Amino acid sequence: DAGVTQSPTHLIKTRGQQVTLRCSPKSGHDTVSWYQQALGQGPQFIFQYYEEEERQRGNFPDRFSGHQFPNYSSELNVNALLLGDSALYLCASSRGRSQAGELFFGEGSRLTVL
Amino acid sequence: DQQVKQNSPSLSVQEGRISILNCDYTNSMFDYFLWYKKYPAEGPTFLISISSIKDKNEDGRFTVFLNKSAKHLSLHIVPSQPGDSAVYFCAAGDAGGTSYGKLTFGQGTILTVHP
Repeated sequence: DAGVTQSPTHLIKTRGQQVTLRCSPKSGHDTVSWYQQALGQGPQFIFQYYEEEERQRGNFPDRFSGHQFPNYSSELNVNALLLGDSALYLCASSRGRSQAGELFFGEGSRLTVL
Repeated sequence: DQQVKQNSPSLSVQEGRISILNCDYTNSMFDYFLWYKKYPAEGPTFLISISSIKDKNEDGRFTVFLNKSAKHLSLHIVPSQPGDSAVYFCAAGDAGGTSYGKLTFGQGTILTVHP
């Protein structure tokens, strides 16, 4: 049973560029949440997708956008990259719009912005 | 505004002893709390949770205690094992509201268990 898979695992971009990160949820899960984890900090909620719509959003600018596909996989897009966007981006999946319960996390995509 | 705080960046414990990790929160709307463990180069993995209607939840060597009046929770690991060495994150959610899976995490505590 495949867990949450993310790609790419590492990438380097320069300021002003755009990046797309991808996530496949755990089998049987239909809800995907994205988190940003800066060095030495805990994960911070970016947004959540369910039924191909953004359902909730954290305190992140519009440069951060996402998408969910009919197969429940998801993309996170970040435009006009800033140095401060350097972080580990975590995807988490769950089943349905259930309460804040157990989330299954992927290993993350480490983004470095130069 | 740090709504969930883990004030101890690190904790060192001898194998076989008890590890106690602490977490404080400020948002009264939080009613569901979780602990996650994270090894290097891996995503966080769920450890144990507790609902606000309880003050204790136990799972094997792991016990979580919740003090709602103090807005404080703690994770006890007894006995501690070297394999428990990891970063531990406290997280909180608002199950009764519309958060639907949105969790607020603390900064993490690095636990090192020495043989």
